[in-house]
Amino acid sequence: GQQVMQIPQYQHVQEGEDFTTYCNSSTTLSNIQWYKQRPGGHPVFLIQLVKSGEVKKQKRLTFQFGEAKKNSSLHITATQTTDVGTYFCAGHSGGSNYKLTFGKGTLLTVNP
Amino acid sequence: GAGVSQTPSNKVTEKGKYVELRCDPISGHTALYWYRQSLGQGPEFLIYFQGTGAADDSGLPNDRFFAVRPEGSVSTLKIQRTERGDSAVYLCASSASTDTQYFGPGTRLTVL
Repeated sequence: GQQVMQIPQYQHVQEGEDFTTYCNSSTTLSNIQWYKQRPGGHPVFLIQLVKSGEVKKQKRLTFQFGEAKKNSSLHITATQTTDVGTYFCAGHSGGSNYKLTFGKGTLLTVNP
Repeated sequence: GAGVSQTPSNKVTEKGKYVELRCDPISGHTALYWYRQSLGQGPEFLIYFQGTGAADDSGLPNDRFFAVRPEGSVSTLKIQRTERGDSAVYLCASSASTDTQYFGPGTRLTVL
């Protein structure tokens, strides 16, 4: 079945440093979604990318979808303590438009 | 408006017992999903409802797991003869179509 891999598994940064997490799928994705889960919380939808090579920005967050639609990245500029949490990418698998396959996530911690 | 709610927030049970986990989706959302999240992992798809019917239950691990949504709104995930390996956070999500999925706070199930 489809596999979605994320690296790194953990990332610790000083406040103000940049952060990037990478997502790779074993199969071509129709779209990719990113979620943030705060410690003790539940996944919260951030964004969806659909088009090959698409780039979207949300304030300090930049999301990219690869040309082959098999990889994606999330970059945070000048991290803040409020960015702490686990960032998951998720893609629809097997031609499904509803079943999300999640990566294991990247846990970001920020030292103030 | 109100988000997805799940009850109970925590459930501790003994091996071999039966448990029911409840999900109240966002009003008007026709699609409902159940996921299971183990520590350090991303959510894992269990089952998807469109209206009252289970459109895809391929993620249910075995026949001890069953879910219903009799009136197309509230859903109940039922686990028979619980095992220690069933311990996890069970997440419910709903969406208006197959678009953005909104997650509930989850039920943390512990099987002793």
